[in-house]
Amino acid sequence: AQSVTQLDSQVPVFEEAPVELRCNYSSSVSVYLFWYVQYPNQGLQLLLKYLSGSTLVKGINGFEAEFNKSQTSFHLRKPSVHISDTAEYFCAVSDSQSGGYQKVTFGTGTKLQVIP
Amino acid sequence: GAGVSQSPRYKVAKRGQDVALRCDPISGHVSLFWYQQALGQGPEFLTYFQNEAQLDKSGLPSDRFFAERPEGSVSTLKIQRTQQEDSAVYLCASSPTRGQGGNTIYFGEGSWLTVV
Repeated sequence: AQSVTQLDSQVPVFEEAPVELRCNYSSSVSVYLFWYVQYPNQGLQLLLKYLSGSTLVKGINGFEAEFNKSQTSFHLRKPSVHISDTAEYFCAVSDSQSGGYQKVTFGTGTKLQVIP
Repeated sequence: GAGVSQSPRYKVAKRGQDVALRCDPISGHVSLFWYQQALGQGPEFLTYFQNEAQLDKSGLPSDRFFAERPEGSVSTLKIQRTQQEDSAVYLCASSPTRGQGGNTIYFGEGSWLTVV
């Protein structure tokens, strides 16, 4: 079984400042990692995912994340945030070795508040 | 649109009432997932369908919860004798393949259930 820990429930940041949202995971097998964004009253939208290969993954809206296997982390970063980035961000993990379907486990989310 | 569609978007039920939540996945998608998202929490897995077969219902919290996908397309999540703890957003998601390999899962906007 896998689990995900998002260390910060809320992160306030000024507009145009950089931001990092932290995510750590736990798993006994190799994993796929995801970041989703949820805008108010909307569903989840995939920002980016790590499957294999390069540990630095670039996603939509200028976000990127780095997979660190030794630290079991997958932190999300953006060099300069905009007001429109205000949303809740979920880190998620699934088992890459399962021969069956992809069961995704989510963290509890981090609310990013961009301050004008 | 071509996304995952859920109805109703909002439902207020009296305690003890039965409710049915509908999900129209993206056309042709093989995999369908239901998740429950309580206030301030991340989505929690409920059940998984591959076409019409329910392959995993390990996340259903009690026997009051029942899901079906009889023709391998539209799915319904039914909650009998609703309780206040059932208040949550119910998210439906679909994926074009059988789900392995880290393929993107597409989420609907959710059905917000409030039990009073």
